[in-house]
Amino acid sequence: GQQLNQSPQSMFIQEGEDVSMNCTSSSIFNTWLWYKQDPGEGPVLLIALYKAGELTSNGRLTAQFGITRKDSFLNISASIPSDVGIYFCAGGGTSNTGKLIFGQGTTLQVKP
Amino acid sequence: DTGVSQNPRHKITKRGQNVTFRCDPISEHNRLYWYRQTLGQGPEFLTYFQNEAQLEKSRLLSDRFSAERPKGSFSTLEIQRTEQGDSAMYLCASSPPGRSYNEQFFGPGTRLTVL
Repeated sequence: GQQLNQSPQSMFIQEGEDVSMNCTSSSIFNTWLWYKQDPGEGPVLLIALYKAGELTSNGRLTAQFGITRKDSFLNISASIPSDVGIYFCAGGGTSNTGKLIFGQGTTLQVKP
Repeated sequence: DTGVSQNPRHKITKRGQNVTFRCDPISEHNRLYWYRQTLGQGPEFLTYFQNEAQLEKSRLLSDRFSAERPKGSFSTLEIQRTEQGDSAMYLCASSPPGRSYNEQFFGPGTRLTVL
């Protein structure tokens, strides 16, 4: 079945640093999404990407849809303590159902 | 505009008991999804509704699981004869019609613990 590999698994950084994480797949996706999840809560949508090569920003977050359609990355600039959480990539758009395939997550910790 | 709501937030049950969870999607979202998430993993797709029709079910959804969305609004997920392996967070998501149907908005989840 389809699988997404996220890296790194975890990151521990200093406040103010930039962060980069990525997601790769053995299959093509037509949509890539990035979510953030806090403990005990559901994932919150950060960015959705619809076109190969597309670069989209949401505040301090920037994400890109890889040109091969098999990868995506997320950058966070000037990290702050509230960026702490688990970041998930998700691939979709390969069927009309909207079913998403999620990565295993990248855990981010920010030291003030 | 209120988000997706799920009830209960937590459920503890004994093995063999039946449990039912409810999801209320964002109004005007015609698509509704159920996912299951275990510790340290991303959510895994269980099933999908478009309006009241259940259009896809994962292999993860065994015969003990049933989901309904009778009037195309709220949805219920029932697990019969629960097993310890059913312990997980059950997440509901909804998405709008049109081009943005992949943009799924998640509820807070129901944490199930089977003793």
